[in-house]
Amino acid sequence: DAKTTQPPSMDCAEGRAANLPCNHSTISGNEYVYWYRQIHSQGPQYIIHGLKNNETNEMASLIITEDRKSSTLILPHATLRDTAVYYCIVRVVMDSSYKLIFGSGTRLLVRP
Amino acid sequence: EPEVTQTPSHQVTQMGQEVILRCVPISNHLYFYWYRQILGQKVEFLVSFYNNEISEKSEIFDDQFSVERPDGSNFTLKIRSTKLEDSAMYFCASRRAGGDTQYFGPGTRLTVL
Repeated sequence: DAKTTQPPSMDCAEGRAANLPCNHSTISGNEYVYWYRQIHSQGPQYIIHGLKNNETNEMASLIITEDRKSSTLILPHATLRDTAVYYCIVRVVMDSSYKLIFGSGTRLLVRP
Repeated sequence: EPEVTQTPSHQVTQMGQEVILRCVPISNHLYFYWYRQILGQKVEFLVSFYNNEISEKSEIFDDQFSVERPDGSNFTLKIRSTKLEDSAMYFCASRRAGGDTQYFGPGTRLTVL
């Protein structure tokens, strides 16, 4: 089973920041938090990942709480093309295959 | 930017027939994966593959499934005798050695009639 909890749906206005929360209260000290998204039925698209520190790339920012029990994905200026299902995934470190266990994700709707 | 590619984009087959789904991973990647997504359901891990052997497989990946890297560029998933419940999107992913991130292809929609 997925080790994360996400709200099933959210919406935000185009041009505003989208803040997607994720709870991972049972995360272990060396497990990474990954974010992917899936637009319609396309292949999951990697967004960002992190361990302890906040991370930023050209797509998004990832804020991880100090206790690492939750995180927030921030899309700073959401566009209509950001409408997708967003998955927060904790990657199990002891799993040498690095498989990803997807949950149900958050369906983000960006409104015009 | 290099991408994972998959062919065909859509495959229709009759129940009981064999299908082969093809993937071309990113060229310097060494770890390969198959996932599937039944319509309206979660993305599910099927199998991981490294150094010409399966490193892990899920309960879904039974004897009807097999994977192969027949040459230096392709990675295939074979379903020997398809069932109606095999209808799904099948995604290939790859990861480079020492890398943390899997990159997914666009998927093959398999429809079993």
